[in-house]
Amino acid sequence: KNEVEQSPQNLTAQEGEFITINCSYSVGISALHWLQQHPGGGIVSLFMLSSGKKKHGRLIATINIQEKHSSLHITASHPRDSAVYICAVWEETSGSRLTFGEGTQLTVNP
Amino acid sequence: DAGVIQSPRHEVTEMGQEVTLRCKPISGHNSLFWYRQTMMRGLELLIYFNNNVPIDDSGMPEDRFSAKMPNASFSTLKIQPSEPRDSAVYFCASSLLRVSQTDTQYFGPGTRLTVL
Repeated sequence: KNEVEQSPQNLTAQEGEFITINCSYSVGISALHWLQQHPGGGIVSLFMLSSGKKKHGRLIATINIQEKHSSLHITASHPRDSAVYICAVWEETSGSRLTFGEGTQLTVNP
Repeated sequence: DAGVIQSPRHEVTEMGQEVTLRCKPISGHNSLFWYRQTMMRGLELLIYFNNNVPIDDSGMPEDRFSAKMPNASFSTLKIQPSEPRDSAVYFCASSLLRVSQTDTQYFGPGTRLTVL
């Protein structure tokens, strides 16, 4: 069982739809990152969370430490949101181990 | 700012050769990270530095891999000797804060390495 699991693995949506990508982890963490990898391969850090909720434009990230779960929401999705979204956690016990999920491939059709 | 700069962008080499990947972090950033991405294993953190000092290299796969950061504006990742299974995209990232876990990372464009 992977320490970080994302769902769904693949997601296809129509432009304008509300999208949710989930990340569950099995270890204690000190922080969780959401990354976006564009079709060309470039990686952008979207959010870093240790508690609560963060919002940036149409993107919202939440984390529930007790349930070991985080969600990334995209409101009013657009074809330019098509990318791979990756969750990564800094493990609390090791202090320096960063574990990645396998990523969610999102395709938003016009 | 130009962002994180990596060179070369593409490297093709033969098995057994030495490969050196280079990274220039964003000016003023205090932490630097090296990652590897493959289809089989996804993204992996290889090593990271705070203030030019290696903090954790437990992700470095073998002794064939080594990384240095001689100053705040330059880092290298060296593979010697290279093997076909080292073929991957290698990313460098930097962040502003010395407490690396809690800060946004800025990624370079990556170096695509192919070892024949």
